[in-house]
Amino acid sequence: EIVLTQSPGTLSLSPGERATLSCRASQSVNNNYVAWYQQRPGQPPKFLIYAASTRATGTPDRFSGSGSGTDFFLTISRLEPEDFAVYFCQQYGRSPLTFGGGTKVEIK
Amino acid sequence: EVQLAQSGAALVRPGGSLRLSCVAAGFDFSDSAMCWVRQAPGKGLEWVSGISGSGGSVYSAPSVRGRFTISRDNSKNTVFLQMDSLRADDTAVYYCAKDGGSVAEYWGHGTLVTVSS
Repeated sequence: EIVLTQSPGTLSLSPGERATLSCRASQSVNNNYVAWYQQRPGQPPKFLIYAASTRATGTPDRFSGSGSGTDFFLTISRLEPEDFAVYFCQQYGRSPLTFGGGTKVEIK
Repeated sequence: EVQLAQSGAALVRPGGSLRLSCVAAGFDFSDSAMCWVRQAPGKGLEWVSGISGSGGSVYSAPSVRGRFTISRDNSKNTVFLQMDSLRADDTAVYYCAKDGGSVAEYWGHGTLVTVSS
């Protein structure tokens, strides 16, 4: 099973700042099949990015994904108030499909 | 607009059974894979089970294999999760989602399942 470790656990930033979230895999992810999701309190997750760097339909362009192999990143260029949430990465390159433990982006 | 309407919250005794349902609208259901993802209280996400559009191919996570069964009725745009031999650690919010190639593209609002005596 591929274990995904997200860091930091919590990121405290101000609106307008840049956020960089990390997702490290315990082994190389086939085809860089990594997705990112956003979850606001009391809401289901929302699909943001797939194949490491391709934005899903409707994902604002301030969100960007990067990385390959075992190290992947989600960057939010300028934080908007609605971006303060928990973010999860997921690998789908190998069964079983697995998620990271999440990074909470909170208002500083 | 994609809509996924899930059945209501449930309380089940350990060892009991429950069937969750999810009615889909706004897309070609019979042409779409579907999945169930769960989230224990205050915890992360776990991909539980998936099923192809035809129903001919299914996947279950090791933690639920042999206890949970995913199925679908394309005539009713509905996907099901039959959960048997429930345990306390199955307590979670269960989300139905449209599977876009092993990624959960669109999510229902979730069903809280509590397993407790």
